[in-house]
Amino acid sequence: EPEVTQTPSHQVTQMGQEVILRCVPISNHLYFYWYRQILGQKVEFLVSFYNNEISEKSEIFDDQFSVERPDGSNFTLKIRSTKLEDSAMYFCASAGGGRTDTQYFGPGTRLTVL
Amino acid sequence: DQQVKQNSPSLSVQEGRISILNCDYTNSMFDYFLWYKKYPAEGPTFLISISSIKDKNEDGRFTVFLNKSAKHLSLHIVPSQPGDSAVYFCAASGASGGSYIPTFGRGTSLIVHP
Repeated sequence: EPEVTQTPSHQVTQMGQEVILRCVPISNHLYFYWYRQILGQKVEFLVSFYNNEISEKSEIFDDQFSVERPDGSNFTLKIRSTKLEDSAMYFCASAGGGRTDTQYFGPGTRLTVL
Repeated sequence: DQQVKQNSPSLSVQEGRISILNCDYTNSMFDYFLWYKKYPAEGPTFLISISSIKDKNEDGRFTVFLNKSAKHLSLHIVPSQPGDSAVYFCAASGASGGSYIPTFGRGTSLIVHP
């Protein structure tokens, strides 16, 4: 069964450093998403991406964040200068089309900012 | 601002009994509701959904009930099995510029005892 994959599973970084979180969505999906979950809190939407551009973003997704689909298979989230409060589980998701809210999630990347 | 509320952080049920997980929402624009299940170290997995034109949707052991007037939905699992032990997220969405970004609740941790 096709699945969304994410690498790395755990990323530890120093405050102020740049990190890139990688995702490989399901191959025939057209909509891509990043979410995050701070420990003990709800899953929060960051950004959605369709047709090679951002379609929606939340207030969390400020200038420190960017997304890219560099090669038609990978979907990346870059945090330019990490802060302590960026420590969270980051989930990538993809959806096929039509009613796009049935999303398939990856296993997540745990980001720890020291 | 919790638009989707899961007021019970945890629920403990005996194997074979019914599990009832509850969810309330405040935004009357929501018209599509989903339940996701999440095991530790995995991403959320889509479980079942319901459109606002229905009040019930059933899939095997899982049934979701929607009470629009009360802005309340519930997930029933009958009979409950130990493998159902997971965190269950309620999510809701409504049309927003053509995309449908679900808003998640904080989750309810279900433990099914053998």
